[in-house]
Amino acid sequence: EVQLVESGGGLVQPGRSLKLSCLASGFTFSNYGMNWIRQAPGKGLEWIASINNNSSFIYYADTVKGRFTISRDNAKNTLYLQMTSLRSEDTALYYCARHFRMAITHNWFAYWGQGTLVTVSS
Amino acid sequence: DIQMTQSPASLSASLGETVTIECRASEDIYSNLAWYQQKPGNSPQLLIYDANNLADGVPSRFSGSGSGTQCSLKINSLQSEDVANYFCQQYNNYPNTFGAGTKLELK
Repeated sequence: EVQLVESGGGLVQPGRSLKLSCLASGFTFSNYGMNWIRQAPGKGLEWIASINNNSSFIYYADTVKGRFTISRDNAKNTLYLQMTSLRSEDTALYYCARHFRMAITHNWFAYWGQGTLVTVSS
Repeated sequence: DIQMTQSPASLSASLGETVTIECRASEDIYSNLAWYQQKPGNSPQLLIYDANNLADGVPSRFSGSGSGTQCSLKINSLQSEDVANYFCQQYNNYPNTFGAGTKLELK
């Protein structure tokens, strides 16, 4: 069974940094592209970053480019999101999601974690 | 960026009814569209991919159709467990973009 478990969320002051993790199990992690998607309270879904299976291709939404960094450690079956210069508008539930297949393009989000909440406030 | 316009924003229907949710893309996305269901307090779950393919374990009362700039999700014989928010997503280009969502309630 595919499982994705996010962690690392919490309350952080504007301008500070936070690092999220997503521990994957139930599949061969190194074979799949991975993604971060967020949802502000009571709002819709926003894709923010994708990384292919060997970290050679990475994409970011303009809203986080230059501030957030997606990375992965295939030996640890873990996806990361390093977030810096956090703003109040970054407050959201952050989901980790796995692509359906290996390719990072033309691919949908087949499996989602339960999310970790990030609150940016002074 | 490709804009996804989803309608209606909310929908109220009776048990057993058929409902349709539409998603319009600002440019051609071919069939690179997915639909997700998000029940209150839960993470999104994949319903449909490639515009008209049912994901594993999804009841056959759900169906998707369309391509190009217009796609739709149909739910036949509405059940109480279908109360949820529904989102479309295009994956033809980066940035992947979602529709704003449709809140489906029971009448």
